[in-house]
Amino acid sequence: DAGITQSPRHKVTETGTPVTLRCHQTENHRYMYWYRQDPGHGLRLIHYSYGVKDTDKGEVSDGYSVSRSKTEDFLLTLESATSSQTSVYFCAIWASGRGEQFFGPGTRLTVL
Amino acid sequence: AQRVTQPEKLLSVFKGAPVELKCNYSYSGSPELFWYVQYSRQRLQLLLRHISRESIKGFTADLNKGETSFHLKKPFAQEEDSAMYYCALTSQETSGSRLTFGEGTQLTVNP
Repeated sequence: DAGITQSPRHKVTETGTPVTLRCHQTENHRYMYWYRQDPGHGLRLIHYSYGVKDTDKGEVSDGYSVSRSKTEDFLLTLESATSSQTSVYFCAIWASGRGEQFFGPGTRLTVL
Repeated sequence: AQRVTQPEKLLSVFKGAPVELKCNYSYSGSPELFWYVQYSRQRLQLLLRHISRESIKGFTADLNKGETSFHLKKPFAQEEDSAMYYCALTSQETSGSRLTFGEGTQLTVNP
């Protein structure tokens, strides 16, 4: 699993509430990613990071922000959660030595 | 822009039957193609990639640049193959090794 953990694993929140999801890795990988998984859409990239304090937008970044103040942590924040952000969120890293992405276990977020 | 299309959202076969999960892509450069699998409520994991040209769990996939396809095949499906399968694409031209995923195909292998 390349030492990737996500917290929380499940969260239920209300519309308008800020939410922060955490991705933690233990193997010092440079690239980290946040995806959301929705039926009929597959996985869509929200934001990614290519180093500490270096981030960029993915294809569905509206309503989300990220921060990476240290190599091992990549935070995803929903400033004001909406019901359309109900989804399963996956964090991933790029293992350059193996040439593949490894994924975290996912966070199931429900916005009521 | 790069795009991955998996035309079948659902695919159901019987145990022992051949199975083919279709994947088509559009990209003007040199793509790297992957198949990821997600078993029920587990994290995604890499099944195979076109560069290694290997067979994993009996699955194979060949990159056909003429047809821009990377279909996943297995001659004899097993019940434990039931899962969600995602085709994904990246390239050396894509910054940060970002993957573009297809919509996924839910495979069910019936006994």
